[in-house]
Amino acid sequence: KQEVTQIPAALSVPEGENLVLNCSFTDSAIYNLQWFRQDPGKGLTSLLLIQSSQREQTSGRLNASLDKSSGRSTLYIAASQPGDSATYLCAVLPVSSGSARQLTFGSGTQLTVLP
Amino acid sequence: EADIYQTPRYLVIGTGKKITLECSQTMGHDKMYWYQQDPGMELHLIHYSYGVNSTEKGDLSSESTVSRIRTEHFPLTLESARPSHTSQYLCASSEYGTNYGYTFGSGTRLTVV
Repeated sequence: KQEVTQIPAALSVPEGENLVLNCSFTDSAIYNLQWFRQDPGKGLTSLLLIQSSQREQTSGRLNASLDKSSGRSTLYIAASQPGDSATYLCAVLPVSSGSARQLTFGSGTQLTVLP
Repeated sequence: EADIYQTPRYLVIGTGKKITLECSQTMGHDKMYWYQQDPGMELHLIHYSYGVNSTEKGDLSSESTVSRIRTEHFPLTLESARPSHTSQYLCASSEYGTNYGYTFGSGTRLTVV
């Protein structure tokens, strides 16, 4: 069964720092990997989607990488801002999910960017 | 910019009442999902649908029911709300196929008193 782990569970950094959030998954047979942001009490906002054939995706200050063979993904946030404070979730779409196409989520990294 | 809409955003209701949480998407997605999430906790899939007239139960057992009469609409119903149903309910959708990600709604925060 696919398992997704995110480290660290919580991270606090001063404004302006570059930071990396980590995601690992146990089964490399995935269709894609998606990074989400969740603000307290809100829904999930999709940040980046990486297909299994891709190595990275970029959007603004965000860059996500995927190493499928080692079961790892990173989310790099450049020049962090207090507005980046949120919980960041990693989710994979496993091949084993079959026609249901259900995501497997990590437990998230709670990021706090201090002014 | 959300193309998937959930109403109400917040709901406080008494025990025993029947409630329906609405979810609509304008993207023509075949797949739709309902997740339950307690504060600070992980998301748990409670229902999903492949398309019209298709519904399946998710990994987490739930007393709620769903229907999919139209592609764009996937409402969730609780026949008799209980305090244990207090949680956040998130709706999501995706296109059929493996190249597409999920889009989530803003969620409904339900409190049963």
